[in-house]
Amino acid sequence: ETGVTQTPRHLVMGMTNKKSLKCEQHLGHNAMYWYKQSAKKPLELMFVYSLEERVENNSVPSRFSPECPNSSHLFLHLHTLQPEDSALYLCASSQEEVGLSPLHFGNGTRLTVT
Amino acid sequence: GENVEQHPSTLSVQEGDSAVIKCTYSDSASNYFPWYKQELGKRPQLIIDIRSNVGEKKDQRIAVTLNKTAKHFSLHITETQPEDSAVYFCAAPEAGAGSYQLTFGKGTKLSVIP
Repeated sequence: ETGVTQTPRHLVMGMTNKKSLKCEQHLGHNAMYWYKQSAKKPLELMFVYSLEERVENNSVPSRFSPECPNSSHLFLHLHTLQPEDSALYLCASSQEEVGLSPLHFGNGTRLTVT
Repeated sequence: GENVEQHPSTLSVQEGDSAVIKCTYSDSASNYFPWYKQELGKRPQLIIDIRSNVGEKKDQRIAVTLNKTAKHFSLHITETQPEDSAVYFCAAPEAGAGSYQLTFGKGTKLSVIP
């Protein structure tokens, strides 16, 4: 049991589709994150929410839209994606800021854009 | 912002030998350095971390050393086993209170040959 659950595990979508990724954490943490993991690149931070307020937005294209309705749930809404957006999308949570507490990752959603 | 360099990108060792992975960082104010292990098809998991007030930390066969003057830290795995085969990531946070930005290295793919 990971403590951070992501659905779906795999997603294939066309460039004109709209889909959403879901993340839920059962650890009572205050912060939640979306990371993108592409081959041969470092993990890239996309968004961070702390106590449901967005605190980081790393110049992510508007075709990615996050939503944090409460401290346990995080969504990533996808629309009009490009093939280069194909990657593993990882959700994570932490108790406090990353200088004080470690990240706990979910198993990720493997996204393929056709 | 923080810049993290990780070497080598791939590393092959014979079972029972030691493995060393090195990372450098750019922000001298960074004070927390975690290491994550990601097995094939699985989520990254924290294996060990170190804070800037200590120079070395050990946990069974794993150790991390930190040289703040030179701004580098290393992961040491002794008596390697096939189950140590994975990708290892180092990371360092953006310094400053309330930072949620964790910068990762590009990863080291460790292969332990039986």
